[in-house]
Amino acid sequence: DTAVSQTPKYLVTQMGNDKSIKCEQNLGHDTMYWYKQDSKKFLKIMFSYNNKELIINETVPNRFSPKSPDKAHLNLHINSLELGDSAVYFCASSRAGGRGYTFGSGTRLTVV
Amino acid sequence: GENVEQHPSTLSVQEGDSAVIKCTYSDSASNYFPWYKQELGKRPQLIIDIRSNVGEKKDQRIAVTLNKTAKHFSLHITETQPEDSAVYFCAARLDSGNTPLVFGKGTRLSVIA
Repeated sequence: DTAVSQTPKYLVTQMGNDKSIKCEQNLGHDTMYWYKQDSKKFLKIMFSYNNKELIINETVPNRFSPKSPDKAHLNLHINSLELGDSAVYFCASSRAGGRGYTFGSGTRLTVV
Repeated sequence: GENVEQHPSTLSVQEGDSAVIKCTYSDSASNYFPWYKQELGKRPQLIIDIRSNVGEKKDQRIAVTLNKTAKHFSLHITETQPEDSAVYFCAARLDSGNTPLVFGKGTRLSVIA
């Protein structure tokens, strides 16, 4: 009954590979987000989707491509992984107007 | 866009003492200010929030104050306990539309027993 779930929890991969992270929420929220948390713990917004439509893309390299098949899912695909992509990626969701913001448990991506 | 500054970046207090974390924001249109606590290896979790029509809000040992004129808000934790040790984030956003939360850079609080 997890509200916002992400898979996988850990991901170790080599430079140049392509990988995906999945996110699902069962809260009935309209808006979903991806945040990147670097080694200094800074939480930076990457993307925001509302009802499957991209709302915000915060100057993220186009190697990162989010996909929202429906409003309960927001997946993140990353092409040609680089060492600097290593971080914890958090999915989050909220009701319309940004209320009830809830984070997923995070995916720790390590690029070697 | 919104920019949130948070201070201090680290804070150590003795158990039982109070801890104060301060944030400033840049966009005067922002009207929603939550605080999140992130324990090691866990997700950020909402602990308290305040909207711009209120100057102060309290929930047991934690309280948040907001000064709209100066565009700053603060988190106060009284009678700190070791389990309060975590990273705390402030955030700000315009509470309408679909703008995302913009976070401060976090404060690592250590409560020493």
